[in-house]
Amino acid sequence: EAGVVQSPRYKIIEKKQPVAFWCNPISGHNTLYWYLQNLGQGPELLIRYENEEAVDDSQLPKDRFSAERLKGVDSTLKIQPAELGDSAVYLCASSYSMNTEAFFGQGTRLTVV
Amino acid sequence: GNSVTQMEGPVTLSEEAFLTINCTYTATGYPSLFWYVQYPGEGLQLLLKATKADDKGSNKGFEATYRKETTSFHLEKGSVQVSDSAVYFCALRFSRDDKIIFGKGTRLHILP
Repeated sequence: EAGVVQSPRYKIIEKKQPVAFWCNPISGHNTLYWYLQNLGQGPELLIRYENEEAVDDSQLPKDRFSAERLKGVDSTLKIQPAELGDSAVYLCASSYSMNTEAFFGQGTRLTVV
Repeated sequence: GNSVTQMEGPVTLSEEAFLTINCTYTATGYPSLFWYVQYPGEGLQLLLKATKADDKGSNKGFEATYRKETTSFHLEKGSVQVSDSAVYFCALRFSRDDKIIFGKGTRLHILP
């Protein structure tokens, strides 16, 4: 069974440019999470979806970040415009339902120059 | 607020040595506790978990016991292998909001 798939694995962009990350969760998983992991830190939750609904987006910087999960399957996370401080690893995870084991993708490493 | 503190790395040990990675937490309520591992080039994987006080989680020779009195969840392994080299994250999770709060991670190097 395929795990959580994220693309791209690496992305380098200039500041002020837009960028998007894509996540394909494990089939049948209703809950999807986006986490931000800064260098030397643990992951921090950005947003959590239950099917199509964003049920916790309290940590998402909404001035420049947006996310969507159309049809309750794949999800995209967008930053526009990117800032130097956005350089980090963006992790996607999914679980069958709330409070069941979360499975993580390999992440997208973003470098903003 | 809720938080997790774990020992700073890197931790370097010889193969077959005994491993302890300390983890303490601050929480209002009774969270579940976890250890995740991140091998080079891979995503985070759940290593073990404990859902209530005095529970012991175990997997792949690793163990951790949920100690409510000391708010700790230290990771131990009796004899480490080179293949255990990775970054280990301690974490807590409340069922009420399903948010996983991670520590900063501890990098472990095992020398042959």
